[in-house]
Amino acid sequence: KAGVTQTPRYLIKTRGQQVTLSCSPISGHRSVSWYQQTPGQGLQFLFEYFSETQRNKGNFPGRFSGRQFSNSRSEMNVSTLELGDSALYLCASSLFTSALYQETQYFGPGTRLLVL
Amino acid sequence: GEDVEQSLFLSVREGDSSVINCTYTDSSSTYLYWYKQEPGAGLQLLTYIFSNMDMKQDQRLTVLLNKKDKHLSLRIADTQTGDSAIYFCAEIVDYGGSQGNLIFGKGTKLSVKP
Repeated sequence: KAGVTQTPRYLIKTRGQQVTLSCSPISGHRSVSWYQQTPGQGLQFLFEYFSETQRNKGNFPGRFSGRQFSNSRSEMNVSTLELGDSALYLCASSLFTSALYQETQYFGPGTRLLVL
Repeated sequence: GEDVEQSLFLSVREGDSSVINCTYTDSSSTYLYWYKQEPGAGLQLLTYIFSNMDMKQDQRLTVLLNKKDKHLSLRIADTQTGDSAIYFCAEIVDYGGSQGNLIFGKGTKLSVKP
């Protein structure tokens, strides 16, 4: 099975611009979560999507948003980019067989975003 | 709130055992995870342990869980230079109706000297 894929792998933007990152989960996985990794804050949870609905959200400003499509692929968008948004953005997918049972999250290689 | 702590650095000689320690705060965590990150790469799942287990062994990896002290450790036997990476401990926090989110430690950078 192919793993989680993320595109693009690298991105350079300038302050004030907006960016869209894409994630394709492992085939059959229905839940997609996004995490931000920075040297200062480490790995932080952004949000989780299942059945095209946001199920859980971390403590990030409204400039960070996401969506999920009917094929479970997900995108995240950051508007009005700030220098501090420079980070590795990681997507993880899991099976989600039941809300009562937590499935292991498998990560993609990440998208490295540099904001100048 | 939830927090995961781990030491930042560990240096060992090739062939020795490495032990990476972690403490967590959420006693309701059902699973605890170890992920590995190599330079410029994403996170690779190494192993996980269910909260009602004390130990799990998987080839060179041994995970020990002390639920009373909320302490988790990862032992790598016969450490190789290819094991040099950052190792993250993570607990899953369940918010009901979702898969929950992972709370990660800051990561332990393991350096293996030949």
